[in-house]
Amino acid sequence: QKEVEQNSGPLSVPEGAIASLNCTYSDRGSQSFFWYRQYSGKSPELIMFIYSNGDKEDGRFTAQLNKASQYVSLLIRDSQPSDSATYLCAVKISGTYKYIFGTGTRLKVLA
Amino acid sequence: GAGVSQSPSNKVTEKGKDVELRCDPISGHTALYWYRQSLGQGLEFLIYFQGNSAPDKSGLPSDRFSAERTGGSVSTLTIQRTQQEDSAVYLCASSAGLALVSGELFFGEGSRLTVL
Repeated sequence: QKEVEQNSGPLSVPEGAIASLNCTYSDRGSQSFFWYRQYSGKSPELIMFIYSNGDKEDGRFTAQLNKASQYVSLLIRDSQPSDSATYLCAVKISGTYKYIFGTGTRLKVLA
Repeated sequence: GAGVSQSPSNKVTEKGKDVELRCDPISGHTALYWYRQSLGQGLEFLIYFQGNSAPDKSGLPSDRFSAERTGGSVSTLTIQRTQQEDSAVYLCASSAGLALVSGELFFGEGSRLTVL
């Protein structure tokens, strides 16, 4: 089992729709979870982080965390073509400063 | 500049040669990370340095790979006797590393390595 798993996609959604990206992790003790966006040929940049169970909203983005199910998701509302990118889930391994990334989900927002 | 700086941005080398990749983190950041990203793949953890602690080398794929961080700042990733499968983008990131729970990673632009 990989430490952090994501569906590689591509996930295609029409402009204006909600995009839902999912991630599962294996380290039950992990407390910190991150979503990074990576445009083609560019470096990852942080979109959101979440530490507590439940939802965290920031503009059009909502991160959801369920530690019991070891599941974290990212919702993008009113998706725009500019949101087309690869979204990487990252988990900070408990008791360390080590971040493990999933393989990323490629999102395509169709105009 | 204020960001993470990596050099060279591109490196083409012949199989069997050694290469060095350099990373200059954001000033004051105590944590420094190296990741490898192959074409169309996610980020593969290689190594991290945190303050004066021993580095976590658990992701280095073989003993051909090594890294050091001098004076708690600049880091060099060395790949000896390069192989074609080493071709990838090598990303460096730094973090303030203030607490075990928290910490955004700031990435450099990467060093693209091509082994012929």
